[in-house]
Amino acid sequence: EAGVTQFPSHSVIEKGQTVTLRCDPISGHDNLYWYRRVMGKEIKFLLHFVKESKQDESGMPNNRFLAERTGGTYSTLKVQPAELEDSGVYFCASSHVGTGELFFGEGSRLTVL
Amino acid sequence: AQRVTQPEKLLSVFKGAPVELKCNYSYSGSPELFWYVQYSRQRLQLLLRHISRESIKGFTADLNKGETSFHLKKPFAQEEDSAMYYCALSAYSGAGSYQLTFGKGTKLSVIP
Repeated sequence: EAGVTQFPSHSVIEKGQTVTLRCDPISGHDNLYWYRRVMGKEIKFLLHFVKESKQDESGMPNNRFLAERTGGTYSTLKVQPAELEDSGVYFCASSHVGTGELFFGEGSRLTVL
Repeated sequence: AQRVTQPEKLLSVFKGAPVELKCNYSYSGSPELFWYVQYSRQRLQLLLRHISRESIKGFTADLNKGETSFHLKKPFAQEEDSAMYYCALSAYSGAGSYQLTFGKGTKLSVIP
């Protein structure tokens, strides 16, 4: 069974540009989560999808971040325009509904210069 | 709101020495706690969960509700245990879904 896959593994962009991160969850997992780890800080929750619906987006830092999960399969997280403080590692995770065990992707490292 | 505290950023031990990675939590409900590990150049992966009460790679963790702790222990550290360890608390957020709250992580370095 394929694990959670994320693309790109690393992105370097300039302040003001746009970046889109993609996550493909494990097949059959209705829950999809985005987390972020900023340098030196803890892994923080961004948002959570159940199928194509946003269940909880309380962790989204501001309206420069937009997440979608059309069709309830893969998800994208767009940052527009990117700021320096957006640099970090963005993790995606998925799980079956009804379980607290999450399966994580390898993360997408974002560097904003 | 739930909170997870890992007081040590870095823990260095000699190979063969006992290891204890500390984790304390605060949560008003009944907690479900996990330890996740990230080895160098690998993805974050589940190490163990308190519900299963199993030992993985020689690690154990006991939930102590009185002390609100979930410390991770291993009697004899191995070099391959060097990694970043995260304690996490799972809270039910509705509609059959859970949200994980992570501690800041402890980097374990096992000295040969």
